[in-house]
Amino acid sequence: GNSVTQMEGPVTLSEEAFLTINCTYTATGYPSLFWYVQYPGEGLQLLLKATKADDKGSNKGFEATYRKETTSFHLEKGSVQVSDSAVYFCALSDQDSGGGADGLTFGKGTHLIIQP
Amino acid sequence: DADVTQTPRNRITKTGKRIMLECSQTKGHDRMYWYRQDPGLGLRLIYYSFDVKDINKGEISDGYSVSRQAQAKFSLSLESAIPNQTALYFCATSDLVSNQPQHFGDGTRLSIL
Repeated sequence: GNSVTQMEGPVTLSEEAFLTINCTYTATGYPSLFWYVQYPGEGLQLLLKATKADDKGSNKGFEATYRKETTSFHLEKGSVQVSDSAVYFCALSDQDSGGGADGLTFGKGTHLIIQP
Repeated sequence: DADVTQTPRNRITKTGKRIMLECSQTKGHDRMYWYRQDPGLGLRLIYYSFDVKDINKGEISDGYSVSRQAQAKFSLSLESAIPNQTALYFCATSDLVSNQPQHFGDGTRLSIL
């Protein structure tokens, strides 16, 4: 079956530090890949996505590249801010639609804490 | 107004009670989903529906049932709640035509004593 593995947290960084949150996946076919962010007390918001190999998703200074050869979709940001503190989820859809037709498979989430 | 609205936002109840969580959406999406979130486990799919006449079990459907009353409404029921169903529950929607990723509600925090 499908699975997503992401680094466990919490990850604590100082403001302006470089961020990497690792994500690897197992899936049949050609999945679409997503990063969602959850701020305290809120639901999940789509941060970025990539639907095919070598695609790079980017948003709000975050980016992730779909690497089929290493089955990875690592999240990066060059300079984090306190407002980036949240829980980040890597997810995949095993339908080649980008829409998560049969439901998304999520990683366990990584809690990111940015200190001033 | 939120595009995906979940009610209630918080609920505390006792073991054995019947509970219904409701979800409504104004996005006009065909597909609706229910997930539960547990600390350290991420989100897991309970049920999903592609339209009013279509209901599908997800990874962890045991102990739950759903009803798709209309395109815009998808409710989740716990017929006889048990403490290990204490979790944060999320409703989500997606649209095949526009091919957009899933859009989530703000969640319902359910505690079963």
